[in-house]
Amino acid sequence: DSGVTQTPKHLITATGQRVTLRCSPRSGDLSVYWYQQSLDQGLQFLIQYYNGEERAKGNILERFSAQQFPDLHSELNLSSLELGDSALYFCASSRHITGGFGAEAFFGQGTRLTVV
Amino acid sequence: DQQVKQNSPSLSVQEGRISILNCDYTNSMFDYFLWYKKYPAEGPTFLISISSIKDKNEDGRFTVFLNKSAKHLSLHIVPSQPGDSAVYFCAASGQTGANNLFFGTGTRLTVIP
Repeated sequence: DSGVTQTPKHLITATGQRVTLRCSPRSGDLSVYWYQQSLDQGLQFLIQYYNGEERAKGNILERFSAQQFPDLHSELNLSSLELGDSALYFCASSRHITGGFGAEAFFGQGTRLTVV
Repeated sequence: DQQVKQNSPSLSVQEGRISILNCDYTNSMFDYFLWYKKYPAEGPTFLISISSIKDKNEDGRFTVFLNKSAKHLSLHIVPSQPGDSAVYFCAASGQTGANNLFFGTGTRLTVIP
């Protein structure tokens, strides 16, 4: 158990809909990262928050948005869903904002989103 | 544009033998490299890392080698055990303050008892 909790574990929704994925980081971790893993793809970095503020942005579509709340949990909002958005979405957390990402990064079990 | 590449989607090795997983990268600004291991239905877990100032880092049965001139790193597992069967992701990070990791597509390792 990494200490990072993601809900829900599975989500099936129709095209055009909007969903929210939730992540609770490990206790004491201030950074939250969102990653997308599509079929046969590596983990694609979407966005990072540190202590409530956006710190880095990757290949995140304009239809997607995220935020980190004062209690440090984070939500990833996906709207106008398309079939191609079907993927595993992982959240990771770490204590530090710069460097040393390795050992301090802990991943949740992921949310499997299926768009039909 | 895949900046970190794992060209072997799968690898099978006999128990007790050496497993060698390879990874290539294109961005010369990367200065920190990691390997993650992923079991089905679980998130990736950190395995081992190496800074660009080193060419080797060892942790028990796991050793990571870095060849900066070739932009290549490899993970050696010796001896391989059935419990090592998983998907291994190579990742790279660069530039102080840039926290996003670039991941490869993964190599599925199967250790045959």
